Amino acid sequence: QVTLKESGPVLVKPTETLTLTCTVSGFSLSNARMGVSWIRQPPGKALEWLAHIFSNDEKSYSTSLKSRLTISKDTSKSQVVLTMTNMDPVDTATYYCARIPRAAAGTSGMDVWGQGTTVTVSS
Amino acid sequence: SYVLTQPPSVSVAPGQTARITCGGNNIGSKSVHWYQQKPGQAPVLVVYDDSDRPSGIPERFSGSNSGNTATLTISRVEAGDEADYYCQVWDSSSDHQGVFGGGTKLTVL
Repeated sequence: QVTLKESGPVLVKPTETLTLTCTVSGFSLSNARMGVSWIRQPPGKALEWLAHIFSNDEKSYSTSLKSRLTISKDTSKSQVVLTMTNMDPVDTATYYCARIPRAAAGTSGMDVWGQGTTVTVSS
Repeated sequence: SYVLTQPPSVSVAPGQTARITCGGNNIGSKSVHWYQQKPGQAPVLVVYDDSDRPSGIPERFSGSNSGNTATLTISRVEAGDEADYYCQVWDSSSDHQGVFGGGTKLTVL
């Protein structure tokens, strides 16, 4: 059974750095056909893609947030870590990680999602 | 950056067919994925690669994609289909960034 679980602080202060961890099971981060994305959703708003990483360390970041984001993985721990610097109240959201299958034809839809973790930015 | 446009809301009576559109420049050249999100829950993939269904998703959910519009069609709509629906693509012109539409609230009357 494939699962992903997000973990991290519930509350961060403005200007602080947020570190979120996605722990996966049921598949390996060394699998060439799998990647992991981070997505967030502010309260009452739409989904926003943030970043992804694949087994070959290929990474991509949202253009609007690129300067603040870093994604990395620890294959031995089955973890993908996202850091976001200079947090602001507008970054208050539920943060999800999700698995991305990749076939020969291209990257597919995100087929398994974590339950999400809610982060509030407030002093 | 690539933009996906969805109607904010769609309403349909039970048993009828709901169609949710996703507009984008030449979206027909991209693979479109659709997600269903119910209140307080994580999104669920319901259609991938324009028209394929993950295992466990009812055949009532189908997708199409051509020109500048992709469409998610839900046949014989049930009360349990009431949810937010998002389309999504990977933008190959921008380092394969993910792009979501703004979401459509499906209301079952």
